[in-house]
Amino acid sequence: EIVLTQSPGTLSLSPGERATLSCRASQSFSSSSLAWYQQKPGQAPRLLIYGASSRATGIPDRFSGSGSGTDFTLTISRLEPEDFAVYYCQQYVSSPSTFGQGTKLEIK
Amino acid sequence: QAQLEQWGAGLLKPSETLSLTCAVYVGSFSDYYWSWIRQPPGKGLEWIGEINHSGFTNYNPSLKSRVTVSVDTSKNQFSLNLNSVTAADTAVYYCARAQERSNWFDPWGQGTLVTVSS
Repeated sequence: EIVLTQSPGTLSLSPGERATLSCRASQSFSSSSLAWYQQKPGQAPRLLIYGASSRATGIPDRFSGSGSGTDFTLTISRLEPEDFAVYYCQQYVSSPSTFGQGTKLEIK
Repeated sequence: QAQLEQWGAGLLKPSETLSLTCAVYVGSFSDYYWSWIRQPPGKGLEWIGEINHSGFTNYNPSLKSRVTVSVDTSKNQFSLNLNSVTAADTAVYYCARAQERSNWFDPWGQGTLVTVSS
């Protein structure tokens, strides 16, 4: 089973700043089978990025994903108030699909 | 109407069976895989298992001995049964759609909190 480790656990930033979230895999991916989700309290996760770098339908272009191998990054170029939430990465290159433990993005 | 709508019992006693159903109102039911994912309170996400319209299933080995996912194509619904529950199974359970076997999930159901307590 592939273990995903997200860092940092909590990220404190202000609106307008740039956020960089990391997801590291315990095994290297030969394909870009990584997704990112945003979850707000009391809500289901929402897909942001799939294929490591493709934005899901309706996702603003301030969200971008990158990476390959074992290291992946979600970048939010300029934080809006509604972006403060918990973010999860997910690998689907091998079964069982697994998620990282999450990064909480909080307002500084 | 929500794209995925789920329901089931929210309070169980230890050793009982958890049963949830998810109705699909988006896309062609036969074109996708359908998954269950859970999230213990305050914790991360765990994939439970998936099924396609033909009944092909794939389960997380950590839960495989207790899980059954089934499908009713006549109603565009799929279901989760998890037997012999304990307090460790207390979680919000989500249904979700995947493009293909072992894939990313979109959209998700609204979630159902299932509490196991004596």
